[in-house]
Amino acid sequence: DARVTQTPRHKVTEMGQEVTMRCQPILGHNTVFWYRQTMMQGLELLAYFRNRAPLDDSGMPKDRFSAEMPDATLATLKIQPSEPRDSAVYFCASGLSGADTQYFGPGTRLTVL
Amino acid sequence: TQLLEQSPQFLSIQEGENLTVYCNSSSVFSSLQWYRQEPGEGPVLLVTVVTGGEVKKLKRLTFQFGDARKDSSLHITAAQPGDTGLYLCAGASTNAGKSTFGDGTTLTVKP
Repeated sequence: DARVTQTPRHKVTEMGQEVTMRCQPILGHNTVFWYRQTMMQGLELLAYFRNRAPLDDSGMPKDRFSAEMPDATLATLKIQPSEPRDSAVYFCASGLSGADTQYFGPGTRLTVL
Repeated sequence: TQLLEQSPQFLSIQEGENLTVYCNSSSVFSSLQWYRQEPGEGPVLLVTVVTGGEVKKLKRLTFQFGDARKDSSLHITAAQPGDTGLYLCAGASTNAGKSTFGDGTTLTVKP
């Protein structure tokens, strides 16, 4: 049963600390998306990759957020320094280029105090 | 910028009732997806519609794609408490590589 996995599932940290979230896409999928979900803003696209290359990160605050794919089985989203307004659920999704379906992970619930 | 508006934002009904939620845009999409998200989980794909006017049925759920491929609806017959969740529509455009998500409809079905 192929699934997108995300770690950690929950993270509580203090303002100013670095936060790293990890995602393992479904094996064989070549497109990876990072989303942030809040009650106020809904599901926002932060960045996405195709074949490990960043295609669009316009939704991401550049000064503190960074997203990378060190290899095809790992995507990371880093926040440094974190702020209380970053508190949200962060989802990773993967898919195949040319197909519109995205498979979501369970999310990382981030709380910045 | 492509926008998808979903209505209603919140819906609370009794078990056994029927309901329809809507997803509207001024943009044309090559395909549209409906997802359901339960608390503490990520969205899960329910269906993809591709052809204008297309109707797809998934048990008690009926999905329709508008003729102009700008809007869609989801109709649930005889709702059950297990249908409770956040319903999201997402539109994809050819060669865009990414989808635009609506803000969702939160459905609560009371026993």
